[in-house]
Amino acid sequence: GQQLNQSPQSMFIQEGEDVSMNCTSSSIFNTWLWYKQDPGEGPVLLIALYKAGELTSNGRLTAQFGITRKDSFLNISASIPSDVGIYFCAGLPNYGGSQGNLIFGKGTKLSVKP
Amino acid sequence: DTAVSQTPKYLVTQMGNDKSIKCEQNLGHDTMYWYKQDSKKFLKIMFSYNNKELIINETVPNRFSPKSPDKAHLNLHINSLELGDSAVYFCASSRLENIQYFGAGTRLSVL
Repeated sequence: GQQLNQSPQSMFIQEGEDVSMNCTSSSIFNTWLWYKQDPGEGPVLLIALYKAGELTSNGRLTAQFGITRKDSFLNISASIPSDVGIYFCAGLPNYGGSQGNLIFGKGTKLSVKP
Repeated sequence: DTAVSQTPKYLVTQMGNDKSIKCEQNLGHDTMYWYKQDSKKFLKIMFSYNNKELIINETVPNRFSPKSPDKAHLNLHINSLELGDSAVYFCASSRLENIQYFGAGTRLSVL
């Protein structure tokens, strides 16, 4: 079935560093979403992207919808300890169909050392 | 106000039992979902349901069945629980634009 390749799988960084993660697909997506999951909680939407080339920020987070519509990246600037968690990309493929076709990447686990 | 709420948060049960997890959303969304998150944190969709159709991931055993008493609720029933069913189960909901909002999860442990 359809898959998203999300990388890196995990990151260990120092507080204050910038973080970058991305998702790629072999096929075109109409929408890219980035979620964050805190330990013991459900995924929470961070940023939604709807158009190729779109660059959207949410505080220290910036995400872009790739021009080819096959990729997206998420950057976090000046990381802080509460950025710890698992970040998921998710995409809505371009082949239409019914609800529930949102496809998730396997997540990037972020650890921040104070 | 919790937008998508699931109960219980924790569920510990014996193999072979039948259990249910409840989900309610107060967002006015028309589609609800169930996901399973395994120990590696992979999110796998199990069902999506609106008032028109139920879409089942073909890999989900028929021991799992969603039941929707109304648009705001989608409960998950599991029969004859097995050890491999231990996981975190997430409910989610969306409008047509498909941004899904998740509940906090139900941690199921089958002993």
